[in-house]
Amino acid sequence: AQSVTQLDSHVSVSEGTPVLLRCNYSSSYSPSLFWYVQHPNKGLQLLLKYTSAATLVKGINGFEAEFKKSETSFHLTKPSAHMSDAAEYFCVVTGRTSGTYKYIFGTGTRLKVLA
Amino acid sequence: DADVTQTPRNRITKTGKRIMLECSQTKGHDRMYWYRQDPGLGLRLIYYSFDVKDINKGEISDGYSVSRQAQAKFSLSLESAIPNQTALYFCATSDPERSYNEQFFGPGTRLTVL
Repeated sequence: AQSVTQLDSHVSVSEGTPVLLRCNYSSSYSPSLFWYVQHPNKGLQLLLKYTSAATLVKGINGFEAEFKKSETSFHLTKPSAHMSDAAEYFCVVTGRTSGTYKYIFGTGTRLKVLA
Repeated sequence: DADVTQTPRNRITKTGKRIMLECSQTKGHDRMYWYRQDPGLGLRLIYYSFDVKDINKGEISDGYSVSRQAQAKFSLSLESAIPNQTALYFCATSDPERSYNEQFFGPGTRLTVL
């Protein structure tokens, strides 16, 4: 079975400092992995996706994530946080159940950026 | 125009009322999904449909029903709303042949059941 764990429900960083949002997954086959961002009162926006090509994936707004099979991780990073990065972030793994693919969401990490 | 639209965007209703949330898409995708989001729980799948004649229950389908009226339209109904169905509801679409199973989300419908 597939599952995804976001290790921190809340993360606080100061503006200009690095961001690290952690995600671990479990999958019995080669997964696709995604990070989505949800700003307050907004829908879900795709940040980046891993689909078995390059293990280091670059996304929008300066975010990137590295797929590490040996650690079953897909952590999201950004070198320098901006106030506009304050939002909730979701890690998603695609799971294959009964021959069909479905999204499995993590429980989310709320990022707070301090001035 | 947005590729995936949801109506209404906000709805307040009373316990016992029947509610329908609608989703339309212009992406031409066969697969459509309904999720609910609750704080601290992420998004959970309610129902999904892989084509007009295919409807499947997700992990939390009790108390909900759906209708796939056309490739582009997928409606979610609460036959008799209850307060614990207060949540943010998202519709999504996908075309796994082209998008590595990537799903595209609507803007959400915030439902409050009093």
